[in-house]
This record gives sequence, structure tokens and C-alpha cells, in this order.
Amino acid sequence: DAMVIQNPRYQVTQFGKPVTLSCSQTLNHNVMYWYQQKSSQAPKLLFHYYDKDFNNEADTPDNFQSRRPNTSFCFLDIRSPGLGDAAMYLCATSREGYTQYFGPGTRLTVL
Amino acid sequence: QKEVEQDPGPLSVPEGAIVSLNCTYSNSAFQYFMWYRQYSRKGPELLMYTYSSGNKEDGRFTAQVDKSSKYISLFIRDSQPSDSATYLCAMIEEYGNKLVFGAGTILRVKS
Repeated sequence: DAMVIQNPRYQVTQFGKPVTLSCSQTLNHNVMYWYQQKSSQAPKLLFHYYDKDFNNEADTPDNFQSRRPNTSFCFLDIRSPGLGDAAMYLCATSREGYTQYFGPGTRLTVL
Repeated sequence: QKEVEQDPGPLSVPEGAIVSLNCTYSNSAFQYFMWYRQYSRKGPELLMYTYSSGNKEDGRFTAQVDKSSKYISLFIRDSQPSDSATYLCAMIEEYGNKLVFGAGTILRVKS
């Protein structure tokens, strides 16, 4: 089945230790998104790639970076995680930017 | 005022009840309307997708969009305990690139 896959599903890191989350998709969608979702809140868009074009949200901290080496893969790098970065990180994809399909998420714990 | 308003609930109903979930919005440029279901600690799952005004039915689920009132609804017939989840409405402009979410409504269906 075509899908959005996120690895790892659970990630524990130490305060200040860099971490990378990965997302892959078999939908062949040209747009990929990274969201942060905290408990009982709606997903918050961090950035997205429209094809190879990177689009950063104005309020996304510099601590968060992303890479998209090809159509199928996208990575979220958190350079120096703080306690406030503990959250569920969701990857989503869409064709041309409308209906979005989400992966299962990576739950990040910062100790 | 938020762009999309959604009552967070929780909404508790007995098994077999008809459930009505609603969102209101302020941006008349929204054209695509989606409902996502999110189980605890999982990624959002696309349930229904509607373009502009009208109704759409899929099994026990019916989505309604009334653009004149800026009001969208999701109806669930014959609700089941497995429907217990958070339901997120989301919408996007015709040529927009950012999905705007409601806060999500927690639904509990009791057997």
C-alpha cells in the first residue's frame, strides 16, 4: 500500500544533543511537510518542500532544519533540542498542495 | 479570533448515536475542506475531503460544507466505540499552501 513512513516511531534524546527524524513516502507526492504537535493541540506547520523549493514558516525556530535529498525522503534535524521541543513530529505529503496524508508520527522525548 | 473555530469537547455519546461535529471559519477564500481522525499517539488519518459547498457521504460518515455560513460539519451515524478519537477539521485556500486546522474535538463513544 502507498503510504507515509516515519522513523523512528519513538526517539529519546538528551538536552542539546542533535537528533534527526526521517520520513519517506511511496505516494510520489511532490509536496512534503513537517509538523510539530503538542498534547491536545492541533498540528503546527514547521516547513514544507514544494518539489525542491524549501518554505520555512516565519515562527519556526532556527534550531529546526530540514533536508529533502529526493522526492521520496525528507529529514527533520533538531540541532540542539530543548525541553520545549518534546512533542509528536508529523510528516505529511500532498500532490500539488491540497489534501494532505500524514504519517504515524515520531514521538520525541528530551531528557 | 482564530481562523478556524472548533469546540474541543469532550463529546460523550452512547453507542449507536448520531454524532455531529462542527467547525466555523472566517476566511471566505477557503475552498478545500477536510476532516481528519486522530487516535491517541497516532498521526491524523484523512476521513473526508470536500471541495467548495455541498455534501459528501462515505459509509457512516457525511461531510457538509455551507460556504455562505462559513460552517462545516461531519456526521457519524451508528457511532461505535472504535470511533472514539480526536476529530480535526482542516481547510485550505484554492491556491494556498498552508492547511489551517481547528483545535480538534475529542469524541468518546460509550458501549
